Amino acid sequence: QLQLQESGPGLVKPSETLSLTCTVSGGSISSSSYYWGWIRQPPGKGLEWIGSIYYSGSTYYNPSLKSRVTISVDTSKNQFSLKLSSVTAADTAVYYCARHDDYYASDYWGQGTLVTVSS
Amino acid sequence: QSVLTQPPSVSAAPGQKVTISCSGSSSNIGNNYVSWYQQLPGTAPKLLIYENNKRPSGIPDRFSGSKSGTSATLGITGLQTGDEADYYCGTWDSSGVFGGGTKLTVL
Repeated sequence: QLQLQESGPGLVKPSETLSLTCTVSGGSISSSSYYWGWIRQPPGKGLEWIGSIYYSGSTYYNPSLKSRVTISVDTSKNQFSLKLSSVTAADTAVYYCARHDDYYASDYWGQGTLVTVSS
Repeated sequence: QSVLTQPPSVSAAPGQKVTISCSGSSSNIGNNYVSWYQQLPGTAPKLLIYENNKRPSGIPDRFSGSKSGTSATLGITGLQTGDEADYYCGTWDSSGVFGGGTKLTVL
C-alpha cells in the first residue's frame, strides 16, 4: 500500500522560506504515469493546488504561486520537496502531498502537516 | 474566488439522494476530466470519482459522477450520517484547480 508522509517545520517566520518534504513508501516515486504534488488548505478554507513534479524533474506550478515555489524530487530517497519563499500569514495552511495521474486525479494523499507563519 | 463553482452547502435526510454541482468553463471542465473528493473533518481528502464517472476500488456505487459540457455533478444515494463531509471537485486548467467545496449535512 502506497503511503505518503509530510515532514518539516510547523512554524515559519514571515519573509522566510517554508520547506517541506514528502517521503513515499510502499512504491517507487519513479513510477511512470504519476505525478507528485503539493496541495494546501488554509484553516477553514478550501483546497489550493501548489504544484507537481514528475520523477524526471518536470514541474508544473500554480501561476499565482509560481514566483515563490520550487518543487524538487530525489528519486534515490523516494522523496519530493516543496520550498515556498517569502512567506506571509496568508501561507498558513495544512500542506498535503499527493500522487496524481495524467488527468489530475489524486488517489494517494499524505495526512497533511500544519504550517503556521508567525513571528 | 475558486475557478470552479460549487454550492457552499447541501443537505438531505438519511436514505435520500443528493447532488452537488461543479461549474467551470471550456478551459477546465469543458476539456478535461473531473475528479471528486470527500474530506471528513480533520482528515485528508479522499478520491471518490476520477475521469468524470469512474470509482476507485472500495468506493461504493452510492457515489456517482457525471459531466456535461462545462459542468459536472456528484451524486450520492442512500445518504448515511457518515457521508457528512466537505466535497470538492477538481480538474486541470493550465494548472490544477479545485472547487470551493460543498458541505454536506445529513439531517
